[in-house]
Amino acid sequence: TQLLEQSPQFLSIQEGENLTVYCNSSSVFSSLQWYRQEPGEGPVLLVTVVTGGEVKKLKRLTFQFGDARKDSSLHITAAQPGDTGLYLCAGGGHNAGNMLTFGGGTRLMVKP
Amino acid sequence: KAGVTQTPRYLIKTRGQQVTLSCSPISGHRSVSWYQQTPGQGLQFLFEYFSETQRNKGNFPGRFSGRQFSNSRSEMNVSTLELGDSALYLCASSLEMRAPVAGYTFGSGTRLTVV
Repeated sequence: TQLLEQSPQFLSIQEGENLTVYCNSSSVFSSLQWYRQEPGEGPVLLVTVVTGGEVKKLKRLTFQFGDARKDSSLHITAAQPGDTGLYLCAGGGHNAGNMLTFGGGTRLMVKP
Repeated sequence: KAGVTQTPRYLIKTRGQQVTLSCSPISGHRSVSWYQQTPGQGLQFLFEYFSETQRNKGNFPGRFSGRQFSNSRSEMNVSTLELGDSALYLCASSLEMRAPVAGYTFGSGTRLTVV
């Protein structure tokens, strides 16, 4: 069974601060995705990383896939209240089909 | 184009009853996956359907079942409801086998409360 652990589980920061969310596993994933979910809605895909060591940037968000493809991080620079939400990482394994394994999530609150 | 549509949005059922949830994927998407989301367990995979066939199944009891129709619409059914089945049920669609790279498009979910 492939498991993904996210840390921290909860994060409350002031507007303008930087933060990093981690997603770790003992298993290798063929790809890793980050989603953001707001209350009452389904998760929305932010990014997919597929190559070990890959770094992708989305405005103030920087995503990195570990060299061994077992871990990933999400760094937010100068957080804004609009970044508030539940951040989920999800790993694609080597099974047939579209099943993804999700981490437990990091609930971020950015206070103005 | 229209997104993933799940109905109903909210549902309250009594223990022992059964429930059917519906999902219409994005037009052209043939893969539909279902996930259960709870505060304690997070998102857990239920099953995936592709071209009317169940391709993967998660570790849930047989009370949870699903099906997919020829137009790719999918339903999931939970029989003999238990209090622990209270959760947000999310449907996600993907184009063929692209989800591990291209990602899912999720619906807004059905919030099921069992009393």
